[in-house]
Amino acid sequence: DVKVTQSSRYLVKRTGEKVFLECVQDMDHENMFWYRQDPGLGLRLIYFSYDVKMKEKGDIPEGYSVSREKKERFSLILESASTNQTSMYLCASRAGTGGYGYTFGSGTRLTVV
Amino acid sequence: RKEVEQDPGPFNVPEGATVAFNCTYSNSASQSFFWYRQDCRKEPKLLMSVYSSGNEDGRFTAQLNRASQYISLLIRDSKLSDSATYLCVVNEGGGATNKLIFGTGTLLAVQP
Repeated sequence: DVKVTQSSRYLVKRTGEKVFLECVQDMDHENMFWYRQDPGLGLRLIYFSYDVKMKEKGDIPEGYSVSREKKERFSLILESASTNQTSMYLCASRAGTGGYGYTFGSGTRLTVV
Repeated sequence: RKEVEQDPGPFNVPEGATVAFNCTYSNSASQSFFWYRQDCRKEPKLLMSVYSSGNEDGRFTAQLNRASQYISLLIRDSKLSDSATYLCVVNEGGGATNKLIFGTGTLLAVQP
């Protein structure tokens, strides 16, 4: 089974801090994604990556950046955390295109105080 | 119009009931369809893919109607353990695109 591992389950950070959320997958998937999930809003795509060093903006990239230096690792960076970035962050990976679904990590619940 | 629309529920059903969820999608070029299940405070997990001819996995049956851009999930003989949020998921379009678009989910509560 594909495993997607997110480094932290729960995180509390202060406003203005730089925050790094790490995600690692072990199945050599080309595609990796970062979502945030908020009540009533569902999953919203922040950034995604098709390959090493490639990145594409999703629907809500403002306030975030990403890094993909190695195929298995996709990092989400909050440059200066704000309270409206308090959310559940979910990383996912997917093999290729077509009929493959995503595999999600277990999520990081980030609280910015 | 949202790209993927679902009735948010909640659907409150007794154990043993049959329940159906519906979903519509807006992009006629979409080629891949899925149902995901999400338990409270957990990550979404793939329940089943949805194929053009319809497909079944135990008590779960998925149907696709491309002409109406409509997907359904039927759960027979509901169990308490089926209580969760069910997410309808569609790929963004055909060809090389590989983003999945998620509905906001339908909450199912199976009552004893």
